[in-house]
Amino acid sequence: DAMVIQNPRYQVTQFGKPVTLSCSQTLNHNVMYWYQQKSSQAPKLLFHYYDKDFNNEADTPDNFQSRRPNTSFCFLDIRSPGLGDAAMYLCATSRDSGAGANVLTFGAGSRLTVL
Amino acid sequence: GIQVEQSPPDLILQEGANSTLRCNFSDSVNNLQWFHQNPWGQLINLFYIPSGTKQNGRLSATTVATERYSLLYISSSQTTDSGVYFCAVATYNTDKLIFGTGTRLQVFP
Repeated sequence: DAMVIQNPRYQVTQFGKPVTLSCSQTLNHNVMYWYQQKSSQAPKLLFHYYDKDFNNEADTPDNFQSRRPNTSFCFLDIRSPGLGDAAMYLCATSRDSGAGANVLTFGAGSRLTVL
Repeated sequence: GIQVEQSPPDLILQEGANSTLRCNFSDSVNNLQWFHQNPWGQLINLFYIPSGTKQNGRLSATTVATERYSLLYISSSQTTDSGVYFCAVATYNTDKLIFGTGTRLQVFP
């Protein structure tokens, strides 16, 4: 089945120790998104790739970076995690941009704990 | 920016009951989706419904775009319906989906 896979599902790191979360998709979708979701809050968009074009949200901290080496994979790098970065990180894809094509499919998420 | 409010914030039901969840938005939209987030955190896309009515089994959704609201109906609720329901919208000048505040549903046997 075509899907969006995130690894790891659970990540525990120490304050300041870099972390990389991965997302892969077999849907052949053009657009990949990273959302951050803190406890009891709605998902918040960090950035997205339209093909190789990177689009950063204005309020995404510099501590968060992303890479998309090919169509299928996208990575979220947190360079120096702080306690406030503990959250669920959700990867999503959509076939394309534009109203009818921008229908999101989410992965299961990666839950980050910072000690 | 566009504001997206959902009501009620919390809902507790007994199995078999029906419910209606509401999503109000403050601007015209060309994209509206409903999601269910299960207790393990996975977001499942339920409907893409910028206007009109759709049904999928026990779930149905209606969006009245001119009045800036959408409704999600759950009939004969089951314990597996528990979780958080989000609506998300995008306006004509951006593809960015903005999530609503969510409704937390608990269904008890």
